[in-house]
Amino acid sequence: GEDVEQSLFLSVREGDSSVINCTYTDSSSTYLYWYKQEPGAGLQLLTYIFSNMDMKQDQRLTVLLNKKDKHLSLRIADTQTGDSAIYFCAERPPRLGQNFVFGPGTRLSVLP
Amino acid sequence: EAGVTQFPSHSVIEKGQTVTLRCDPISGHDNLYWYRRVMGKEIKFLLHFVKESKQDESGMPNNRFLAERTGGTYSTLKVQPAELEDSGVYFCASSQGGRNNEQFFGPGTRLTVL
Repeated sequence: GEDVEQSLFLSVREGDSSVINCTYTDSSSTYLYWYKQEPGAGLQLLTYIFSNMDMKQDQRLTVLLNKKDKHLSLRIADTQTGDSAIYFCAERPPRLGQNFVFGPGTRLSVLP
Repeated sequence: EAGVTQFPSHSVIEKGQTVTLRCDPISGHDNLYWYRRVMGKEIKFLLHFVKESKQDESGMPNNRFLAERTGGTYSTLKVQPAELEDSGVYFCASSQGGRNNEQFFGPGTRLTVL
């Protein structure tokens, strides 16, 4: 497909793990990114993964990359209410130079 | 260090009016980008400045949109005349450049065209 795809909504209970999935478009993208947008705030770079890696872990965050299927996922362990936000998957295909292609965003709701 | 700032945070205008959005990048960042998110859809690239020059404006939707970055510091994005479909959140980002070239985003301007 030509669009970066994500499911639009995800609800989890506090303390559970959240998994947000993304399918990107260009297998030559060097870096894949996850951005977080909290209410009323701008986009914050959460983490990124280099395309020659399968996994990257950073505290409660785990990024998995399946390059063959062009599938990226973000796992948040022990999800907290402060994790409620919109999470955007993004790629930067070489054909577009410095420019990002973003997904539509997944709205994560954390229930008490 | 101040981050990317945008003004105004919200703007509500009527169809046919003109609106100018402003972005102040992080000091020293040569690269400045405009994006927009329309109707809860994906964030779309609009254009990219390197200093005062337009490096890439392939994402600009039509000639009702005019972006400037005189002097290579802050940038403005003018919509004239505004249409209903222009409603959305307009994000600005800046970056220093380099291999990873992390872009730092502003909080966005929410534009509502009635």
